[in-house]
Amino acid sequence: NAGVMQNPRHLVRRRGQEARLRCSPVKGHSHVYWYRQLPEEGLKFMVYLQKENIIDESGMPKERFSAEFPKEGPSILRIQQVVRGDSAAYFCASSPLQGGGKNIQYFGAGTRLSVL
Amino acid sequence: AQTVTQSQPEMSVQEAETVTLSCTYDTSESDYYLFWYKQPPSRQMILVIRQEAYKQQNATENRFSVNFQKAAKSFSLKISDSQLGDAAMYFCALSQGNKLVFGAGTILRVKS
Repeated sequence: NAGVMQNPRHLVRRRGQEARLRCSPVKGHSHVYWYRQLPEEGLKFMVYLQKENIIDESGMPKERFSAEFPKEGPSILRIQQVVRGDSAAYFCASSPLQGGGKNIQYFGAGTRLSVL
Repeated sequence: AQTVTQSQPEMSVQEAETVTLSCTYDTSESDYYLFWYKQPPSRQMILVIRQEAYKQQNATENRFSVNFQKAAKSFSLKISDSQLGDAAMYFCALSQGNKLVFGAGTILRVKS
């Protein structure tokens, strides 16, 4: 019974390149959340998606960041034209139903993005 | 806006002893959930315990228990009979709609 799978575990990009982070939720889960963890800080919410829909993107930077959760395949967090400030650990979580605490969010091991 | 504060950046405990990690929060909602997550060096976020705000009884999971003081907006985690495997970063989190709001974390070191 696989948990949330994120890949790659570590991604190195040069400034100006694109970063694509993948997240496969727990089998049967249709709700996906992305969080960012800057060094020495807690996780910060970025976006909440259901299949083919963005429900809440209130934590996403207005530019360069986008997320999708297609009908088939993993959820993708895409960062265009990366800058050094994007260096962080990006975590994906999934839940079987709508989150908010009543339904537990299960986390992946994260992708550590390093921007040179 | 909801906030979560963990005032202890780092704590140490002797193996087999008990340690308490502090967490305070602020929310305007009457129904919410509180969580403690553990993050070992592998970075995997592991749910330790969950508390529903409308339940007065404190949640317990084996050696882990909470002291939930709703009026004081306090949610501390007690780890009994500490083990070397408990060494990790511990995050307190509060549900806010569909998302979680996390504190800055407390590093727990376990001495043998």
